[in-house]
Amino acid sequence: GQQVMQIPQYQHVQEGEDFTTYCNSSTTLSNIQWYKQRPGGHPVFLIQLVKSGEVKKQKRLTFQFGEAKKNSSLHITATQTTDVGTYFCAGTPNNNAGNMLTFGGGTRLMVKP
Amino acid sequence: DGGITQSPKYLFRKEGQNVTLSCEQNLNHDAMYWYRQDPGQGLRLIYYSQIVNDFQKGDIAEGYSVSREKKESFPLTVTSAQKNPTAFYLCASKGQGYQPQHFGDGTRLSIL
Repeated sequence: GQQVMQIPQYQHVQEGEDFTTYCNSSTTLSNIQWYKQRPGGHPVFLIQLVKSGEVKKQKRLTFQFGEAKKNSSLHITATQTTDVGTYFCAGTPNNNAGNMLTFGGGTRLMVKP
Repeated sequence: DGGITQSPKYLFRKEGQNVTLSCEQNLNHDAMYWYRQDPGQGLRLIYYSQIVNDFQKGDIAEGYSVSREKKESFPLTVTSAQKNPTAFYLCASKGQGYQPQHFGDGTRLSIL
């Protein structure tokens, strides 16, 4: 079955440093979504990418979808303590009639003030 | 998220007991999902339903059961067959096509 892998699993950064998490799928995706889960909370939708090579920005966050639509990345510039949480990618395989999302294992970001 | 309500927030289960977790949504979404999350881990799909009166097993359905008698409701029963039920349970719903999933606040289940 389809697998979505995320690396790294954990990342500690000093406040102000940049952070990147990578998402790789074993199959071509129709779309990729990114979610953020704060400690003790539930996942909250951040953004969706659909087009090959697409890049979207939300303030300090930059999201990319690979040309082959099998990988994606989330980059945070100058991290802040409010960025703490676990970031999940989730993709829908191209051949999936039910639009089922498969979640990656998440990257847990910890920011030292 | 607004629109998805999970209850209770905390639940304790005794040995040999079945417990039911509630999930209600008023977003008029057809699809609903149940996930299990263990500490520091990702989301694992238990069951999902894409339409009323129909549901499918996810990756870890053993020891769990669901029903989908109404569009708004998708309760999850953790049966006594689930030997390691302690986890954070998340319910989600989704609209048509590539819409994002909307999650409830979750239920934390522990063994007494």
